Amino acid sequence: EVQLVESGGGLVKPGSSLKLSCVASGFTFSSYGMHWIRQAPKKGLEWIALIYYDSSNKYYADSVKGRFTISRDNSKNTLYLEMNSLRSEDTAMYYCAKSLLWWGQGTLVTVSS
Amino acid sequence: DVVMTQTPPSLSVAIGQSVSISCKSSQSLVASDKNTYLNWLLQSPGRSPKRLIYQVSKLDSGVPDRFSGSGSEKDFTLKISRVEAEDLGVYYCLQGTHLPYTFGAGTKLELK
Repeated sequence: EVQLVESGGGLVKPGSSLKLSCVASGFTFSSYGMHWIRQAPKKGLEWIALIYYDSSNKYYADSVKGRFTISRDNSKNTLYLEMNSLRSEDTAMYYCAKSLLWWGQGTLVTVSS
Repeated sequence: DVVMTQTPPSLSVAIGQSVSISCKSSQSLVASDKNTYLNWLLQSPGRSPKRLIYQVSKLDSGVPDRFSGSGSEKDFTLKISRVEAEDLGVYYCLQGTHLPYTFGAGTKLELK
């Protein structure tokens, strides 16, 4: 069974950094592209990043380009999202997803002074 | 970026009724490989989103055939026949043809 477990969220101040992780199991992680998607409180879904199976290509939403970095470690079955220069508008539940079919339970990031 | 316009924003429905949700894109969603990467997802209250339909009309495994998707190019529809209580929540369309991927604003399906 496919499982995706996010972690690393928390309360941080504006301007700070945070690194999220997503541990995958139940499938051959190194064969699939992976996504990060977020949802601000009481708002809709926003796609923010995609990484190819071999890290050869990475794509970002304009709202996070230059501040967030998606990466993966196929030896550890783990997807990452490094977030820098965090803003209040980055406050959201962050989900990782495989093929947009399988989603994790999310990790909450709150950016507030 | 492709703008996904989803309507209506909310629907009030009785169990057993049928409903339709519309999603219109600002650009054609036909990809260079001739596939159309239009997805429908459901987010039940307090849960992570779940994909129901991909490539316009293909049902994901385990999705009841009460759900159906149709459309082409820029105009798409999700239909739910004989709504059941487990169908309540927020429905989103999502285009995966053009980067960045973009979601519709959502349609909240509630009980009448």
